[in-house]
Amino acid sequence: ILNVEQSPQSLHVQEGDSTNFTCSFPSSNFYALHWYRWETAKSPEALFVMTLNGDEKKKGRISATLNTKEGYSYLYIKGSQPEDSATYLCAFGNSGNTPLVFGKGTRLSVIA
Amino acid sequence: DAGVTQSPTHLIKTRGQQVTLRCSPKSGHDTVSWYQQALGQGPQFIFQYYEEEERQRGNFPDRFSGHQFPNYSSELNVNALLLGDSALYLCASSLGTVRTQPQHFGDGTRLSIL
Repeated sequence: ILNVEQSPQSLHVQEGDSTNFTCSFPSSNFYALHWYRWETAKSPEALFVMTLNGDEKKKGRISATLNTKEGYSYLYIKGSQPEDSATYLCAFGNSGNTPLVFGKGTRLSVIA
Repeated sequence: DAGVTQSPTHLIKTRGQQVTLRCSPKSGHDTVSWYQQALGQGPQFIFQYYEEEERQRGNFPDRFSGHQFPNYSSELNVNALLLGDSALYLCASSLGTVRTQPQHFGDGTRLSIL
């Protein structure tokens, strides 16, 4: 059974703070790593799909890095805003063509 | 451009009953995946449909079955409902089954079993 861990489980930051959280996954047989943002009462929204070791992706104030050799990805949010409050999910796919495995998410609350 | 739509939004059933959930994929998408999200957990993969066939299946009993129609819409059926089936059921669509394609999710169906 593939294990995808996200930390922290939740965090609260002040508006304007930068923050980051982690997705850990098996370091062997890597295929793809997805990040999603899930706002309350909405549907999960795809942020990034990462496939290469060392990949860095950016979308506005949000960026992500990938280290497939050690099995982790970081998601960074620069200058957090209240609208960034959401649960951030990562999902791992291995080269064995098994379905994506999701972590439990990191719940971010940005306090104005 | 219509996104993924799911119906119904909420559903209350009793143990032993059967339920059918529906999903229309994003326009242009041909692959539908279903997930179950229990409280405090991440989405758990149930199965995926492509070209009207079940292509992959997660660790769910045969009580969970599905169907995909020629217009790519999909249904999830659950028989003999148990209390533990209470969860949010998410449908996601994508273009093809390649896992480098992002999943586009619906708002989910909240199923409560009494």
